[in-house]
Amino acid sequence: GAVVSQHPSRVICKSGTSVKIECRSLDFQATTMFWYRQFPKQSLMLMATSNEGSKATYEQGVEKDKFLINHASLTLSTLTVTSAHPEDSSFYICSAIAAGGPDGELFFGEGSRLTVL
Amino acid sequence: LAKTTQPISMDSYEGQEVNITCSHNNIATNDYITWYQQFPSQGPRFIIQGYKTKVTNEVASLFIPADRKSSTLSLPRVSLSDTAVYYCLVGFRGYQKVTFGIGTKLQVIP
Repeated sequence: GAVVSQHPSRVICKSGTSVKIECRSLDFQATTMFWYRQFPKQSLMLMATSNEGSKATYEQGVEKDKFLINHASLTLSTLTVTSAHPEDSSFYICSAIAAGGPDGELFFGEGSRLTVL
Repeated sequence: LAKTTQPISMDSYEGQEVNITCSHNNIATNDYITWYQQFPSQGPRFIIQGYKTKVTNEVASLFIPADRKSSTLSLPRVSLSDTAVYYCLVGFRGYQKVTFGIGTKLQVIP
């Protein structure tokens, strides 16, 4: 089946630094990717919708200047957490929809755990 | 987007059949119902998707009544490895953003 890969799977950074998380669709083209954040024992919270070649659409309450999303190609979307703080520590997950796919199935990445010290 | 309601948690013994029901009273005509499984520190994994009646694959069955206001995920003969959180999502086959409810935490007991 289709594979979505995230990198890095784990990252630890100091407060105030920026961290980039990559989301790649390995064997299909993804016109749309979604970014989620998940805190311990909670559900996935949609942060933004990323469309190839256009600006991302952010959910209410998500700071677009803090969580920079770039979807420069049909196989790669990146999430950059700028000036990270301890409260940004979370599990970040991306998902992708296959371009032209008949089933509209969402394929999820393995997730990236960010720890901000 | 249709809101979903699921039990927060369920316990089951190994080898038993587990049925998890999801309510989605506001489901739209074009909406499909999809179930995902999530293990700790992993991304959700697709289990099954359906529109109406019954769908079966190698891991689960999905029962959808005629009014489509609910759906039931059936896991036959669960094992310890089925301990996970199960999410019911409703949407137009993924061609729109989907939001996750709380999900059902299934604990399989030896």
